[in-house]
Amino acid sequence: GAVVSQHPSWVICKSGTSVKIECRSLDFQATTMFWYRQFPKQSLMLMATSNEGSKATYEQGVEKDKFLINHASLTLSTLTVTSAHPEDSSFYICSARDRREVGSYNEQFFGPGTRLTVL
Amino acid sequence: AQSVTQLDSHVSVSEGTPVLLRCNYSSSYSPSLFWYVQHPNKGLQLLLKYTSAATLVKGINGFEAEFKKSETSFHLTKPSAHMSDAAEYFCVVSAAGGYQKVTFGTGTKLQVIP
Repeated sequence: GAVVSQHPSWVICKSGTSVKIECRSLDFQATTMFWYRQFPKQSLMLMATSNEGSKATYEQGVEKDKFLINHASLTLSTLTVTSAHPEDSSFYICSARDRREVGSYNEQFFGPGTRLTVL
Repeated sequence: AQSVTQLDSHVSVSEGTPVLLRCNYSSSYSPSLFWYVQHPNKGLQLLLKYTSAATLVKGINGFEAEFKKSETSFHLTKPSAHMSDAAEYFCVVSAAGGYQKVTFGTGTKLQVIP
């Protein structure tokens, strides 16, 4: 149980284009999902918290107009990198929290990540 | 406020010898603590978690960690390292209750020498 998938697992795009990454909770419902970014040999940095049916909460320094987050259902959140540039190349990881466990241990279930390369 | 410090960025052990990955945390509230492992170009896998029950927590693949409140530590150990243990390990802290964000440590890269 508690499986989170991401699609695509890797993507290469041209500078200036937009890329959408999907994060799905496969066997549980998630009112809250999180998007992280990881640069090579570094830790995960939280970009934003995605709440089902409401606007995402972005961390300081993250451009909300560049990284569009939509959490339209209890099992799907999407991250769209708009007008991507080479500096956006990174490993993007999502996580989800089981709505049944909110308020308890705050365990997050992580997706396998999406490798974005912008040429 | 919460933070987590992984004291070693890189640990190297010989196969079959014990593993110790150190983690200290700071939290204003009763914390939940986690250890995750990440293999190259892969997502994160939960090794174990502390959730205010037993202070000695056993996880997968022979790993365990002990929560020591007086030392604000949550070190990860394994009696005998295996080659497949070579990976990046992250200590994570979260304040219990509510929609609390988690905070990641900077990671410890474990190298296992044959």
